[in-house]
Amino acid sequence: QSALTQPRSVSGSPGQSVTISCTGTSSDVGGYNYVSWYQQHPGKVPKLMIHDVTKRPSGVPDRFSGSKSGNTASLTISGLQPEDEADYYCCSYAGSYIFWVFGGGTKLTVL
Amino acid sequence: QLQLQESGPGLVKPSETLSLTCALSGGSIDSTSYYWGWIRQPPGKGLEWIASISYSGTTFYNPSLQSRLTISVDTSKIQFSLSLTSVTAADTAVYYCVRHGGQWFDPWGQGTLVTVSS
Repeated sequence: QSALTQPRSVSGSPGQSVTISCTGTSSDVGGYNYVSWYQQHPGKVPKLMIHDVTKRPSGVPDRFSGSKSGNTASLTISGLQPEDEADYYCCSYAGSYIFWVFGGGTKLTVL
Repeated sequence: QLQLQESGPGLVKPSETLSLTCALSGGSIDSTSYYWGWIRQPPGKGLEWIASISYSGTTFYNPSLQSRLTISVDTSKIQFSLSLTSVTAADTAVYYCVRHGGQWFDPWGQGTLVTVSS
């Protein structure tokens, strides 16, 4: 069982927006602004999409955005494109004993 | 552009020690801005952070694995390594080496599949 809870799957049609949630506790997601999101296509290496809750690395489309409210972080993908179909994982810093924890991953299907 | 490359045996017997090395190219390992780490992914499952180390040797371990783990860095060889003792089938996974920038992981190595089986 993963430390952070994500929906197992979400779906949307091209052009639509989808939001993936990542729920933790006050000891991880809620306690720090250190949530990151990774995209992983089948058989590929995870790719950093968002860090520090809302920051987008260079080269990541601005269709990807992150937010946080309380113990739940969210990744929103607007203007869905077929190439967005992938697994998405959230990760949070969890303090100086646990350090970093991941969510179980969410499979995004673009219909 | 920094690239990371894992190396190590693809097959390890139960109860033995898994040893992996991550070699850097296109960048320096002795930066105070970064840490270096390992993350694994069992087949068909999610990601799990394992351990991290700074170039000066400060270490961080996943508490659920800590008793079996050692992470080390060799600045002269521009590489860092992971050792996991007493492996079982549950340790079968793709092992990725990563750079920590702050509280995130980027870039990632290509990953190496390690299977624990007799």
